[in-house]
Amino acid sequence: EADIYQTPRYLVIGTGKKITLECSQTMGHDKMYWYQQDPGMELHLIHYSYGVNSTEKGDLSSESTVSRIRTEHFPLTLESARPSHTSQYLCASRGVGTSGVQETQYFGPGTRLLVL
Amino acid sequence: AQTVTQSQPEMSVQEAETVTLSCTYDTSENNYYLFWYKQPPSRQMILVIRQEAYKQQNATENRFSVNFQKAAKSFSLKISDSQLGDTAMYFCAFMKPYAGNMLTFGGGTRLMVKP
Repeated sequence: EADIYQTPRYLVIGTGKKITLECSQTMGHDKMYWYQQDPGMELHLIHYSYGVNSTEKGDLSSESTVSRIRTEHFPLTLESARPSHTSQYLCASRGVGTSGVQETQYFGPGTRLLVL
Repeated sequence: AQTVTQSQPEMSVQEAETVTLSCTYDTSENNYYLFWYKQPPSRQMILVIRQEAYKQQNATENRFSVNFQKAAKSFSLKISDSQLGDTAMYFCAFMKPYAGNMLTFGGGTRLMVKP
């Protein structure tokens, strides 16, 4: 499996606060992704990146923004958190994992966000 | 656009028995990839198995194997000798090998392995 990290793992925050969810990977993968997942539900792509300075919106509209200044880092920012943003956010990267298999997305552990 | 359907929201199986999870998909593509991911209560997404559409041979990974029927657009997952640690949500996913390599996920199947 690829080494992909997300911090924080859990975050409880009040409405109106600005938050940044961190995602980093040490495998040099070019493509990275952010998914949003409500409990017991499927994943929805909200952002992705082909590489440095590339960011695209995914299938699900999101008020969050992302940046890709470095290959290994793909943070997601919410300028003003709201209760509707409560969800799990999963980061993934695509590349060759330790199994040697390409064309596979490897996921981080996720950040569970609760906005009060 | 691709769609992925998992028709079994919940399933259960006795420990050591075999269970099959269903997945169907719809695409006009000829070349693509299919995946099964496992999401245990920790909620991390773990790759279980993958299949390239151009390969006729079904993928296997230890106790996990797939039945890939390209013409029928079916991609079922068989878990043999089920273990308690297999209890999780299982997601089927589709990916085109270009255009960002984005995954399209099914709605998931919650599998409970009973002792």
